[in-house]
Amino acid sequence: KQEVTQIPAALSVPEGENLVLNCSFTDSAIYNLQWFRQDPGKGLTSLLLIQSSQREQTSGRLNASLDKSSGRSTLYIAASQPGDSATYLCAVRDSNYQLIWGAGTKLIIKP
Amino acid sequence: DAGVIQSPRHEVTEMGQEVTLRCKPISGHNSLFWYRQTMMRGLELLIYFNNNVPIDDSGMPEDRFSAKMPNASFSTLKIQPSEPRDSAVYFCASSLGQGTDTQYFGPGTRLTVL
Repeated sequence: KQEVTQIPAALSVPEGENLVLNCSFTDSAIYNLQWFRQDPGKGLTSLLLIQSSQREQTSGRLNASLDKSSGRSTLYIAASQPGDSATYLCAVRDSNYQLIWGAGTKLIIKP
Repeated sequence: DAGVIQSPRHEVTEMGQEVTLRCKPISGHNSLFWYRQTMMRGLELLIYFNNNVPIDDSGMPEDRFSAKMPNASFSTLKIQPSEPRDSAVYFCASSLGQGTDTQYFGPGTRLTVL
């Protein structure tokens, strides 16, 4: 059974720092992996989707990597801003096309 | 496009009452998903539809929960009778296909059952 883990559960860093969020999964047989952002009291917004054949995806200050063999993905945020404060969730699409979700990392960027 | 629309945004009801949550997916999307989010259990998939047909309802917690999708632009999630443990945020999401496409989430309905 696929399990997705995100560590740490919470992270607080000063504005301007580069940071990395981690996501690990137990079964390497995945179709893709997505990173989402959730702001308090709101829905989830898709940030990046990495297909199983890809190693990374970039969007602006965000870069997501995928290493299927080791069951890991990272979300790199460059030059963090207070507006980046949110909960970040990763989800893998398993062999049954189901999205399996991590519990999320709550990120706080201090001005 | 307005995105996925959910109503109501907030619902407070008493135990035993029927609750109906509504969702309008993004026009042209063929798949619709209902999720529940709580602090204890995180995000859980309840059911998903493809072309208005329920494909997987294994996440529906019990018979008190039912979902319908009478047409491509509307879906409901009903809880009858509601219980305090049903209190959660319920999200609806839609995607172009059911396979590997990005899901777009609505703002959610915060349900409180007293």
